[in-house]
Amino acid sequence: GQQLNQSPQSMFIQEGEDVSMNCTSSSIFNTWLWYKQDPGEGPVLLIALYKAGELTSNGRLTAQFGITRKDSFLNISASIPSDVGIYFCAGQLWSGGSNYKLTFGKGTLLTVNP
Amino acid sequence: EADIYQTPRYLVIGTGKKITLECSQTMGHDKMYWYQQDPGMELHLIHYSYGVNSTEKGDLSSESTVSRIRTEHFPLTLESARPSHTSQYLCASSAQRGSGYGYTFGSGTRLTVV
Repeated sequence: GQQLNQSPQSMFIQEGEDVSMNCTSSSIFNTWLWYKQDPGEGPVLLIALYKAGELTSNGRLTAQFGITRKDSFLNISASIPSDVGIYFCAGQLWSGGSNYKLTFGKGTLLTVNP
Repeated sequence: EADIYQTPRYLVIGTGKKITLECSQTMGHDKMYWYQQDPGMELHLIHYSYGVNSTEKGDLSSESTVSRIRTEHFPLTLESARPSHTSQYLCASSAQRGSGYGYTFGSGTRLTVV
């Protein structure tokens, strides 16, 4: 089956620093998604990418869908304490209305020191 | 506003008890999923459903069972809880049609079996 390699596994940064994390896959996806999970909650969708090469921003977050369709990255600029949480990438390969399952990365645990 | 609800949020129960974790969504989504998340962060798909009376086992073997009698309701049952079932359980749903639809997650149920 498809597998995603998400890195880094964890990050410890100072408030105000920029953050970068990425996911790579052995196979292509049609869609890349980035989620954030706050402690004690379920993951929440941050950004969705639908086209190879697409660059999308959501406030201080920027994500890109790799040209090869096998990778994606997420950048967070000027981190703040509430950015703390687990970030998941997810890829989806859909075809003709079948198979909508997402493949999730193993997550990046972000800690921000005030 | 959460459109997918999980109850209870926390449950501590004795070994051998039968438990049902509830999951309901008000978005009319056909597809629903159950994930198990251990402290190592990774999300493991244990069950999914593509519609009423449709249920499938996920990538991670689980002793739990699910049912889908109504579109909006996807409960998970453990007939005899064991300490190895201690985990965070997350329910999610997604729309049936269209491309690149991500999942909407509930807030999760933290299960502890003592």
